[in-house]
Amino acid sequence: NAGVTQTPKFQVLKTGQSMTLQCAQDMNHNSMYWYRQDPGMGLRLIYYSASEGTTDKGEVPNGYNVSRLNKREFSLRLESAAPSQTSVYFCASSEAPDRVCGYTFGSGTRLTVV
Amino acid sequence: DAKTTQPNSMESNEEEPVHLPCNHSTISGTDYIHWYRQLPSQGPEYVIHGLTSNVNNRMASLAIAEDRKSSTLILHRATLRDAAVYYCILRGDKIIFGKGTRLHILP
Repeated sequence: NAGVTQTPKFQVLKTGQSMTLQCAQDMNHNSMYWYRQDPGMGLRLIYYSASEGTTDKGEVPNGYNVSRLNKREFSLRLESAAPSQTSVYFCASSEAPDRVCGYTFGSGTRLTVV
Repeated sequence: DAKTTQPNSMESNEEEPVHLPCNHSTISGTDYIHWYRQLPSQGPEYVIHGLTSNVNNRMASLAIAEDRKSSTLILHRATLRDAAVYYCILRGDKIIFGKGTRLHILP
């Protein structure tokens, strides 16, 4: 079972470059989320999509944009990468935004901005 | 989103039970208590969740205080593979992570 798939797994960018992190889930989940994790820190929510066609800001949305392409896919775009965006990015999905529903996480994208 | 308080780190001996505490004094009546763990170099994985009653699954047990202001994740027999960061979370319409408890298992 694939679950949540993130691509790429590793990426090095130069300051000012742009890129899109891809996330896809095959569990027919309605809600999807993007988090970042910095060394020694917990995860911080960047953006989320409670259902297809909706997106909302999380705790740290500045410098990022998202697109809920369809029910399966939720992408995260960095328009002009900065060294402060060096982090590990995790995508997650849940059946619904309901409080009883747990999350399934991808394995992460390790991004370095030089 | 209501916050949780967990110890920064804990140690336990292998093959012994582990009790990981969590305080959530501002919990609302509709918040579910979720626990996740993150193994080294991996994404978080769901462990267990509950609302009011104690819960058991193949991974762990969750004991919830009667006033719901605290809970305890119980690993019945810790192994070296249980060494991870454990996050206690109050599940609203999205999950906000704290820093969790880093669990060290001593062989």
